[in-house]
Amino acid sequence: EPEVTQTPSHQVTQMGQEVILRCVPISNHLYFYWYRQILGQKVEFLVSFYNNEISEKSEIFDDQFSVERPDGSNFTLKIRSTKLEDSAMYFCASRTTGDRGYTFGSGTRLTVV
Amino acid sequence: GENVEQHPSTLSVQEGDSAVIKCTYSDSASNYFPWYKQELGKGPQLIIDIRSNVGEKKDQRIAVTLNKTAKHFSLHITETQPEDSAVYFCAASRNTGANSKLTFGKGITLSVRP
Repeated sequence: EPEVTQTPSHQVTQMGQEVILRCVPISNHLYFYWYRQILGQKVEFLVSFYNNEISEKSEIFDDQFSVERPDGSNFTLKIRSTKLEDSAMYFCASRTTGDRGYTFGSGTRLTVV
Repeated sequence: GENVEQHPSTLSVQEGDSAVIKCTYSDSASNYFPWYKQELGKGPQLIIDIRSNVGEKKDQRIAVTLNKTAKHFSLHITETQPEDSAVYFCAASRNTGANSKLTFGKGITLSVRP
């Protein structure tokens, strides 16, 4: 079964530092997403990406966040200057067209100290 | 925007019994309703989904029902097994091309007692 791969599985960073979370979506998928889950809370939408541009973003996805698909296989989420409240599990997801649902990766646990 | 509510927040059943998890949604334009199972340390895994043009869908021990008029949908697990113990999330989406973000419920922790 094809998988969405995320690295690293856990990242600890100091407040104010930049982090890049990496994802390799399923190869024939066209739509890409980042979600986050603060411990004990709902999974929240951050951003969707299609045709090499952001198609929708949430209020959470402010100027500190950016996404890229630099080489046709990787899909990255960058947080420029991390805050304590950015600590969460970040999930990448992808899907193809039509009636197929999302496939989520296993997530990156980001801890900001 | 869409708001998805999920009840109850925890559910404990005896092995072999059935479990029912209910969700409501607010956006009448939502037309895609997936259910995800999340085990500890893993990402959400799609277990079943339903679209607004059907009222019920079944896959072995799992079924989902949808009531568009009342804007609620439910997950039914029959003959529960200990490996069904996990967090279950419902979600809703308009599922129209790129702008098909999922809005999740808070999740329910299902415990199946052996």
